[in-house]
Amino acid sequence: SQQGEEDPQALSIQEGENATMNCSYKTSINNLQWYRQNSGRGLVHLILIRSNEREKHSGRLRVTLDTSKKSSSLLITASRAADTASYFCATARLISISSGSARQLTFGSGTQLTVLP
Amino acid sequence: DGGITQSPKYLFRKEGQNVTLSCEQNLNHDAMYWYRQDPGQGLRLIYYSQIVNDFQKGDIAEGYSVSREKKESFPLTVTSAQKNPTAFYLCASSPSRPGTGVWKSNQPQHFGDGTRLSIL
Repeated sequence: SQQGEEDPQALSIQEGENATMNCSYKTSINNLQWYRQNSGRGLVHLILIRSNEREKHSGRLRVTLDTSKKSSSLLITASRAADTASYFCATARLISISSGSARQLTFGSGTQLTVLP
Repeated sequence: DGGITQSPKYLFRKEGQNVTLSCEQNLNHDAMYWYRQDPGQGLRLIYYSQIVNDFQKGDIAEGYSVSREKKESFPLTVTSAQKNPTAFYLCASSPSRPGTGVWKSNQPQHFGDGTRLSIL
């Protein structure tokens, strides 16, 4: 099932502008992760924020997490044409299985970001 | 360099045919995963394996089968029972807690570059 939903579905900005993407989820989580996917390629991990953290930075990326609202945002500052890609949030949760426990990653539907030169 | 290799990059399936997608990793990860991605959508979990000779169904396992005979390999078979197989298939792996196979969720999953499957 799709746990996370990204907003907006598509975003088009000029180079140098900031891009903000939002993610909402439904159940309790261990952490929330953001991934990037270039067209026709696999996913690349960008940043992880734990459930007890509120904000995290990595280079031009800033992620916030509000567990009370079950939402997260990804901010890319000073965007570049090379940032054009799809961005996905994913939530990690622990589940029970017959042989014990397992952790699963559940992905949202993604935001397609286009940065115009 | 360590990584995940998926092959082939493109695959075509005829009606009634089973096809197998390959996924190999040299990251020494215990846990491996198969996801399906439809156009404009996120990833949905098909099967996962936390340890050799063990695997679990994900959210959309019907019409698919897997095996995990070696730590490095986690092939996915799309059977003729899968009536809508056209999609982009992604394999991933991740490190696990020693002795348990349970994914260390504070570590990212590493992805291959996918196989695009189409029906002839």
